[in-house]
Amino acid sequence: DSGVTQTPKHLITATGQRVTLRCSPRSGDLSVYWYQQSLDQGLQFLIQYYNGEERAKGNILERFSAQQFPDLHSELNLSSLELGDSALYFCASSVDRGISGANVLTFGAGSRLTVL
Amino acid sequence: AQTVTQSQPEMSVQEAETVTLSCTYDTSESDYYLFWYKQPPSRQMILVIRQEAYKQQNATENRFSVNFQKAAKSFSLKISDSQLGDAAMYFCAYREYMDSNYQLIWGAGTKLIIKP
Repeated sequence: DSGVTQTPKHLITATGQRVTLRCSPRSGDLSVYWYQQSLDQGLQFLIQYYNGEERAKGNILERFSAQQFPDLHSELNLSSLELGDSALYFCASSVDRGISGANVLTFGAGSRLTVL
Repeated sequence: AQTVTQSQPEMSVQEAETVTLSCTYDTSESDYYLFWYKQPPSRQMILVIRQEAYKQQNATENRFSVNFQKAAKSFSLKISDSQLGDAAMYFCAYREYMDSNYQLIWGAGTKLIIKP
């Protein structure tokens, strides 16, 4: 157990729907990162939050949004879902805000989203 | 943009033997960090080893070691005495400093099969 908790583990939904993925970071970590991993692909960075504030944004679609709450858990909202959004969504956490190159990310087990 | 290339989609090795996974990257930076992550069937992303570019000595972690060739921009992972539990996807990642923040750029991964 890495200490990063993601729910749900699996989610099946239909096109056009909206889902919310949840992440609780490891105790003491202030940064939360969201990544998307499509089939047989590497990870694509979506967005990072540090202590409640957006820190960096990657290739996140406008249909997607995220936030980090005062208790540091984060939610990734995916709306108007398309077939191509089917993927594994990872959350990772770290203690700092990303200014250290040596910073190591701890990953959750991922949420597998299937859009039918 | 920097890129990370893993040219071997799949590798197989006999149990107890040694295997090397290749990774090359493209950067104009002189100081950066490189990582190898392992993703077993459980989907958890697990840090295997980390290398700091300014350190000439190759990083080692038990049976895992890297061959870091900075001039060639190569960062290969050697797994000695392969075990069945080493079977996984292995991802190489480069830490890039962008927009006052460090972000990971990922390779597409290499699937490692261990033959008993």
